[in-house]
Amino acid sequence: GQNIDQPTEMTATEGAIVQINCTYQTSGFNGLFWYQQHAGEAPTFLSYNVLDGLEEKGRFSSFLSRSKGYSYLLLKELQMKDSASYLCAVKGRVDYKLSFGAGTTVTVRA
Amino acid sequence: NAGVTQTPKFRVLKTGQSMTLLCAQDMNHEYMYWYRQDPGMGLRLIHYSVGEGTTAKGEVPDGYNVSRLKKQNFLLGLESAAPSQTSVYFCASSKVGQGKRAKNIQYFGAGTRLSVL
Repeated sequence: GQNIDQPTEMTATEGAIVQINCTYQTSGFNGLFWYQQHAGEAPTFLSYNVLDGLEEKGRFSSFLSRSKGYSYLLLKELQMKDSASYLCAVKGRVDYKLSFGAGTTVTVRA
Repeated sequence: NAGVTQTPKFRVLKTGQSMTLLCAQDMNHEYMYWYRQDPGMGLRLIHYSVGEGTTAKGEVPDGYNVSRLKKQNFLLGLESAAPSQTSVYFCASSKVGQGKRAKNIQYFGAGTRLSVL
């Protein structure tokens, strides 16, 4: 099975940077996803890492270290619309199933 | 392009009643999934399907049944609803990736909010 940990809540100021950490213990690893979920809405895909290193996409970056079972999502130049829950999910080796962490709620304050 | 569509969006049931949640996708995806989301617990996989006519159990399958008679549709049934099944249900779909590094991104529907009294 999978055990995925991420902080419950984080608060940051508009224009700042926030880093959301995710650690995982897995019986099989085939990639790691970050999803964004606004309150009352569906999760939407943000980023995917399967190799070690940093993936950058605009204001968002995601990092993976497979040897450490660790990933982070970096949100730069925070905007009010970035207030949401961020879900870390590990893809297993069987049928592409995802195991999700409980999510980190990020609140951006003016 | 509607993506993944779930019906209904909201439903209130009494204990013991049955209902079916409908999920439809228009992206020709092979894989489909049903999750439930509860506060503090994240998304948990109920059942999934790797193709038309096939289904498999996920992490929390008890009390639910599913069917995938057509590639574009995946139905989740509650035979005898219980208060513990009060939750938000999400359907997702993904294509079968080509190659070892395939992403297999899951695309989610807007969710069904179910209350069982």
